[in-house]
Amino acid sequence: GAVVSQHPSRVICKSGTSVKIECRSLDFQATTMFWYRQFPKQSLMLMATSNEGSKATYEQGVEKDKFLINHASLTLSTLTVTSAHPEDSSFYICSARAGRRERETQYFGPGTRLLVL
Amino acid sequence: TQLLEQSPQFLSIQEGENLTVYCNSSSVFSSLQWYRQEPGEGPVLLVTVVTGGEVKKLKRLTFQFGDARKDSSLHITAAQPGDTGLYLCAGLATGTASKLTFGTGTRLQVTL
Repeated sequence: GAVVSQHPSRVICKSGTSVKIECRSLDFQATTMFWYRQFPKQSLMLMATSNEGSKATYEQGVEKDKFLINHASLTLSTLTVTSAHPEDSSFYICSARAGRRERETQYFGPGTRLLVL
Repeated sequence: TQLLEQSPQFLSIQEGENLTVYCNSSSVFSSLQWYRQEPGEGPVLLVTVVTGGEVKKLKRLTFQFGDARKDSSLHITAAQPGDTGLYLCAGLATGTASKLTFGTGTRLQVTL
């Protein structure tokens, strides 16, 4: 099956710093990528949807200036958490889909655990 | 906003027992998926159901999509410790610009 990777797998940073998380589709071109956040013992919450070459669409309540998403190529999307604070500590998961059609399969990455001190 | 409520939230059973997890919503979904997620990892797709009333089997796992496409169930027969994990349903509703909505999750623990 298709593979999606994330880097780093874990990151610890000081409050106020910015952290960049990469999401790569390794064996297919991802027209659409999704970023999710998962707090402990909770489900996945969609943060934003990005299509290659266009601006990301953010879900209600997600600050676009705090969570910068760049989808500059068909195999790479990045999520930058700017001026991170302890409440941003979470498990961030990306997924990638080859096309724009709803029913095409989304492939999920292994997640990145962010801890902000 | 489409909400998917899963029940139970947590289930602890012994090896060999059967169990059923439910995923309910008031919204209609064009398709519904079930995932299993282990700690510190991303969710892994188990199955996709698209037709109302559809039943799919994956070894000891049986998935059913409700006739009205508003609910689904996952039944595990003779559970094994390897079945331990977080089970998530996720629905794709019509008119939502291709976004998956995840359920609240069911954490399953199977002990020897």
